[in-house]
Amino acid sequence: GESVGLHLPTLSVQEGDNSIINCAYSNSASDYFIWYKQESGKGPQFIIDIRSNMDKRQGQRVTVLLNKTVKHLSLQIAATQPGDSAVYFCAEPQRAAGNKLTFGGGTRVLVKP
Amino acid sequence: KAGVTQTPRYLIKTRGQQVTLSCSPISGHRSVSWYQQTPGQGLQFLFEYFSETQRNKGNFPGRFSGRQFSNSRSEMNVSTLELGDSALYLCASSVQGIGGANVLTFGAGSRLTVL
Repeated sequence: GESVGLHLPTLSVQEGDNSIINCAYSNSASDYFIWYKQESGKGPQFIIDIRSNMDKRQGQRVTVLLNKTVKHLSLQIAATQPGDSAVYFCAEPQRAAGNKLTFGGGTRVLVKP
Repeated sequence: KAGVTQTPRYLIKTRGQQVTLSCSPISGHRSVSWYQQTPGQGLQFLFEYFSETQRNKGNFPGRFSGRQFSNSRSEMNVSTLELGDSALYLCASSVQGIGGANVLTFGAGSRLTVL
């Protein structure tokens, strides 16, 4: 069925360390994934996306890895900063459903100074 | 350019009342989607409008409805409010679809509390 989920609900990380947020999906036909960041009091903000024809995509301090074999993707944040404290969601569009996104449960990242 | 604007940002209603939330998308964006966010259920899709037509609908009761105007602004309405309708209602807009440059841009949301 359609589901996008996360392994860890909360991740506490020391400032300057790297963060890894994981996400599992169930639909092997999924071809596109998006990561969103939601800070307190704000709506989700696009971070990075990846298509299924790629294994890795890099942005500014962020890298998304896609493992289609085990239907898993991860978001890596390098040199985590206090401003990275937020809830991170992976999301997947339902192709037959316009702009419908199915979101994972979210992982809260807490950056310790 | 201005982002997605949602009004009101906060509101309190009582059970049985109805509420209307408004969303102004980014200029040029024709697709407007609505999502409900709660601690228990997370982010759930309500519906999407494109060029004044509902293009897709999530699994919510008929008490939840919406519409889109010719200027792409959208409203959603919840009638006969229940305690469980307390949530953050998020609006998102995009040019057309999802993929490539057409990502969803979210507003800050309207936080509804039902007493």
